[in-house]
Amino acid sequence: AAGVIQSPRHLIKEKRETATLKCYPIPRHDTVYWYQQGPGQDPQFLISFYEKMQSDKGSIPDRFSAQQFSDYHSELNMSSLELGDSALYFCASSLGPGGHGELFFGEGSRLTVL
Amino acid sequence: RKEVEQDPGPFNVPEGATVAFNCTYSNSASQSFFWYRQDCRKEPKLLMSVYSSGNEDGRFTAQLNRASQYISLLIRDSKLSDSATYLCVVSNAGGTSYGKLTFGQGTILTVHP
Repeated sequence: AAGVIQSPRHLIKEKRETATLKCYPIPRHDTVYWYQQGPGQDPQFLISFYEKMQSDKGSIPDRFSAQQFSDYHSELNMSSLELGDSALYFCASSLGPGGHGELFFGEGSRLTVL
Repeated sequence: RKEVEQDPGPFNVPEGATVAFNCTYSNSASQSFFWYRQDCRKEPKLLMSVYSSGNEDGRFTAQLNRASQYISLLIRDSKLSDSATYLCVVSNAGGTSYGKLTFGQGTILTVHP
């Protein structure tokens, strides 16, 4: 079965550069979530979209922005990267907002900022 | 104080052992509760939802005490493949905020032969 696809899987950037992560949800899933997981940390909710509209916002820095497109894929744009942005970024999707708590996570995009 | 707190672990148990994890949450408005499992450097995956009446799925039993804001997970007859980090997760109901999951820091379980 198709899962959540994230790209790139690994990304290395310098400080103050920009990065874009992409997420392709499971087919027919209409809700996308972004989570950030630092080393040894639990996943922190960043932002979510339902039917292409922002549905909830968490601890997403102002330097980051995201959107969901007409085909339901989502992109997380990160600018003025800082060392502390190095983390594993998970995208998850669900059918309907919340999916009754069952979110399907992608394998993550590992960002390293040097 | 974190919104969801778990036993830090790590738990090291032999195969066949029974092990229990505890979790407390601070937001009394939390409506939904889950246990997720995360293998090393992998994505979290839903293990089971937690219902008010308690629920069981094979070797796994989850309990919820709303009055004490406490959630537990019991694993019986541990298998080597149960080795993972177990994440206690809560969600607040209400419109589209249903999907904002708040994770605990996770409890590491290692099952050894």
